[in-house]
Amino acid sequence: GAGVSQSPSNKVTEKGKDVELRCDPISGHTALYWYRQSLGQGLEFLIYFQGNSAPDKSGLPSDRFSAERTGGSVSTLTIQRTQQEDSAVYLCASSSGQGASEQFFGPGTRLTVL
Amino acid sequence: AQSVTQPDIHITVSEGASLELRCNYSYGATPYLFWYVQSPGQGLQLLLKYFSGDTLVQGIKGFEAEFKRSQSSFNLRKPSVHWSDAAEYFCAVGAGNSGGYQKVTFGTGTKLQVIP
Repeated sequence: GAGVSQSPSNKVTEKGKDVELRCDPISGHTALYWYRQSLGQGLEFLIYFQGNSAPDKSGLPSDRFSAERTGGSVSTLTIQRTQQEDSAVYLCASSSGQGASEQFFGPGTRLTVL
Repeated sequence: AQSVTQPDIHITVSEGASLELRCNYSYGATPYLFWYVQSPGQGLQLLLKYFSGDTLVQGIKGFEAEFKRSQSSFNLRKPSVHWSDAAEYFCAVGAGNSGGYQKVTFGTGTKLQVIP
């Protein structure tokens, strides 16, 4: 595709519900990243994929958060039993994975937990 | 582990004035350094990056940044700011490994306001 896409663009959910956020990276990009951006905060690293494997999950804030990537392409970030503190913009980025390559960011999913 | 500090949360400049946004990093080896811009309602866009070589890096939209190892800094500059530069700017440091993985740590951002 032309760029990284994310869906939905906005998600409002009730506390305790599960949500799934989707990321479609740039075609051919092997590396995929998830970040969280809270109001007034920088970007918080969540997880990194190289192909379908996640060698770095160190940023996932709790076991309620999980992510998978299939076919070396689409990735889904799942948040179970959402809490109000999960409200944030979730950003996905992809890169060619070659050396220190540029990350291309999607527009993000704004999650609001009521 | 690497870290990034952007000491200025908010900066206001007049249109046409020069701009310098500060960024200090902490990393044991030569870092990969980036500046990204996030305009309201838009995703992050890379302005410029430093990997090696010339310490003065030119980017898009007339921006430049200078890597100063002795000061652990990578400040972003523009000689004349335009109203369209109003946005949030993020400095980032990347630590690569032989496998090509690059963990990028972002600063908390500097919000730029441009007044006429």
